[in-house]
Amino acid sequence: GQNIDQPTEMTATEGAIVQINCTYQTSGFNGLFWYQQHAGEAPTFLSYNVLDGLEEKGRFSSFLSRSKGYSYLLLKELQMKDSASYLCAVSTGFQKLVFGTGTRLLVSP
Amino acid sequence: GAVVSQHPSRVICKSGTSVKIECRSLDFQATTMFWYRQFPKQSLMLMATSNEGSKATYEQGVEKDKFLINHASLTLSTLTVTSAHPEDSSFYICSGRGPRAYEQYFGPGTRLTVT
Repeated sequence: GQNIDQPTEMTATEGAIVQINCTYQTSGFNGLFWYQQHAGEAPTFLSYNVLDGLEEKGRFSSFLSRSKGYSYLLLKELQMKDSASYLCAVSTGFQKLVFGTGTRLLVSP
Repeated sequence: GAVVSQHPSRVICKSGTSVKIECRSLDFQATTMFWYRQFPKQSLMLMATSNEGSKATYEQGVEKDKFLINHASLTLSTLTVTSAHPEDSSFYICSGRGPRAYEQYFGPGTRLTVT
């Protein structure tokens, strides 16, 4: 089966750094995605990792370790608008995405 | 670029009726589109993969006769929920495969409420 785990909820303070972890066990692996989703809206693409290592894009970075089945999304200099759900998704083949349950991040002043 | 639209954004229908949801790729051609369902506080679950000009491939447990998918052109896919029941109430999201094969661009979603 497919299993993708993320913490359900996290809280952080404006200006801080937060790391959202994702562990996965899937039948195939063609890359790992992170999406941001505000309530009632569609997910928006944040990052894509297919090789081990860190990908940095502005305030957001994503890390992947395929041997450990592990990824994290790092958000720096948190802003209030970063309050959202963050979805980890694995492409298992033929572009199918299997999503984790999502992590709801609440940023407080 | 890579914008996907959905229509309607919200729909309320009575139990037993059918509802059609449209998914359009506005500035790119999507040979493959995906339909997802998301229940409150849950993640997205893939329902089916839709390829232009061919029959959709449904995920295990998704009734193909209840959720009719048509992908008649490179920019339009439709999902029809037939004989809707209250348990079909959910957030339906489509996505289109972008110019780079690994990318999916999501529509804004359609909130379906069946009364």
